[in-house]
Amino acid sequence: AIQMTQSPSSLSASVGDRVTITCRASHAIRVDLGWYQAKPGKAPKLLIYAASILQSGVPSRFSGSGSGTDFTLTISSLQPEDFATYYCLQDYNYPWTFGQGTKVEIK
Amino acid sequence: QVQLVQSGAEVKKPGASVKVSCEASGYTFTNHYMHWVRQAPGQGPEWMGMINPSGGNTNYAQNFQGRVTMTRDTSTNTIYLEVSSLRSEDTAVYYCARETRHGSGSSCDYWGQGTLVTVSS
Repeated sequence: AIQMTQSPSSLSASVGDRVTITCRASHAIRVDLGWYQAKPGKAPKLLIYAASILQSGVPSRFSGSGSGTDFTLTISSLQPEDFATYYCLQDYNYPWTFGQGTKVEIK
Repeated sequence: QVQLVQSGAEVKKPGASVKVSCEASGYTFTNHYMHWVRQAPGQGPEWMGMINPSGGNTNYAQNFQGRVTMTRDTSTNTIYLEVSSLRSEDTAVYYCARETRHGSGSSCDYWGQGTLVTVSS
């Protein structure tokens, strides 16, 4: 199975900050990666698919980049509603695998 | 609008089985693969497997081989997840999710509301 290594595991940031989260795949996965936001008691929400394509309805402050093994999720200006845990998910092959998550907390 | 509505919370004893349902509406059921993902308390999401609602073919994560069965009923646009030989570690929220394919790869663009399964003696 492809392993997804996400970093950092947590970070503290202030409203308005630029935040960057990275995900590294153990094998090349083209651009077959999505980013999801999870909040307690709610289903994960798709933010980015195919590494860099913004899902409809998601604010443009979210962006994704990367291909092969290295991927990045960037939040350009952190908003109060963005404090959550973020996960990458590779859909290159089965079994699909998630990163361990990055918890974004208020500084 | 696309909706995935899951069955209600369950409490089961160790060794028992549980069957969770997920009813889809607002789109053509057989056009999208469906996935099951679970999230245990304090843990990240874990992919369990997928089912093709059209042909019924499945692919399960190795961790669940032999204990998980995914089925579908095209007459009611519903998929099912059955987990047998439950243990305390199976306590989690179980989600169904719809897959949409893109030019390169796929994503889970719609999710059910989640079903809490508690395994406790």
